[in-house]
Amino acid sequence: AQKVTQAQTEISVVEKEDVTLDCVYETRDTTYYLFWYKQPPSGELVFLIRRNSFDEQNEISGRYSWNFQKSTSSFNFTITASQVVDSAVYFCAHTPQGAGNMLTFGGGTRLMVKP
Amino acid sequence: GAVVSQHPSRVICKSGTSVKIECRSLDFQATTMFWYRQFPKQSLMLMATSNEGSKATYEQGVEKDKFLINHASLTLSTLTVTSAHPEDSSFYICSAGPAGGTGELFFGEGSRLTVL
Repeated sequence: AQKVTQAQTEISVVEKEDVTLDCVYETRDTTYYLFWYKQPPSGELVFLIRRNSFDEQNEISGRYSWNFQKSTSSFNFTITASQVVDSAVYFCAHTPQGAGNMLTFGGGTRLMVKP
Repeated sequence: GAVVSQHPSRVICKSGTSVKIECRSLDFQATTMFWYRQFPKQSLMLMATSNEGSKATYEQGVEKDKFLINHASLTLSTLTVTSAHPEDSSFYICSAGPAGGTGELFFGEGSRLTVL
């Protein structure tokens, strides 16, 4: 069975600070996908990234960047120069390849960015 | 891009009534859809896998007679909370991906159920 751990339940930063959200996963699957989603107060899940287990390249998208370290089973997410609009709950998730949409979610990290 | 739509987004009902939530894939066919439940300030937990044309597969601890799932077509799955009670109040969210797709996941907007 898969397990996703987000050790940080809440993080509070001041605007313009950089912040890293940690994600550690456990899996016996050789091929799998990892995801990050943002959930603002309205509730909908906003897709941020999907990473294939074969692709360990780090990715940058604007102020967002992701560090995938297969050796440590971690898939951390960094927001550079945080903004108030980044305030939300962020979920890391895992799915084995071929499992369709059956995601295992981490507990989530509530990020609060203060002006 | 592909869209998954849920309806209703919010519903308030009296204890003992049944509530139906719909999940539609708008521009692709989905042989499988997934239903999740999220209690306040908690993570999303998979409830069941909805399979088109066959019975749903429920996760351990989820009562199948309580949460009826019907996946009658390739674009629609419904979740019916039967004889709802206050403890069923939660945020229900579905997901689906194109048949044959690889890891493409789309979530509905979610449905917030409040049982009085």
